Amino acid sequence: DTGVSQDPRHKITKRGQNVTFRCDPISEHNRLYWYRQTLGQGPEFLTYFQNEAQLEKSRLLSDRFSAERPKGSFSTLEIQRTEQGDSAMYLCASSFVNTEAFFGQGTRLTVV
Amino acid sequence: EDQVTQSPEALRLQEGESSSLNCSYTVSGLRGLFWYRQDPGKGPEFLFTLYSAGEEKEKERLKATLTKKESFLHITAPKPEDSATYLCAGQTGANNLFFGTGTRLTVIP
Repeated sequence: DTGVSQDPRHKITKRGQNVTFRCDPISEHNRLYWYRQTLGQGPEFLTYFQNEAQLEKSRLLSDRFSAERPKGSFSTLEIQRTEQGDSAMYLCASSFVNTEAFFGQGTRLTVV
Repeated sequence: EDQVTQSPEALRLQEGESSSLNCSYTVSGLRGLFWYRQDPGKGPEFLFTLYSAGEEKEKERLKATLTKKESFLHITAPKPEDSATYLCAGQTGANNLFFGTGTRLTVIP
């Protein structure tokens, strides 16, 4: 097991385009989290899944954002109609219930 | 409102010069206090979890402690490879992590 894997590592997109990121968690981890981090700030919680159920969404997760975790394995985060303010590092993490979360290397999104 | 405040924002140490990083928190229903290390352009790397006041954990040159209002990350005789941003986070009753803005540590050879 090589840890949490995120793809792509970097994405440059034009404003208004849709983008999708993928996260493969540590196998057997039943919780999967998405965070967003901007320069000089700590990660901010977006949403989390327990198995395939999305249990919580932050106020930061506007209607343009959607996350899925089909079959409780990998997860995707889609951003529709990207805006410049969406430029950030998008981090995925996974854990067992009530244990520490392990983060992936993130996807750096730049909206131009 | 949940809040995690880290100080100082940045810290420069000479190699071998010990110091402490502070994390003060007001998190409702705190289930745990977490420390992570983050290198530039990478995801946070888990260091410690503390669950109750008085608890201490150590790993190599790092020791984390917890009181009812704050946590400290003590760095003993740091080396240049300890240079990184250290993030503190409270785990809320909702199970997600509420992060501070981090302390950027630079250790000069």
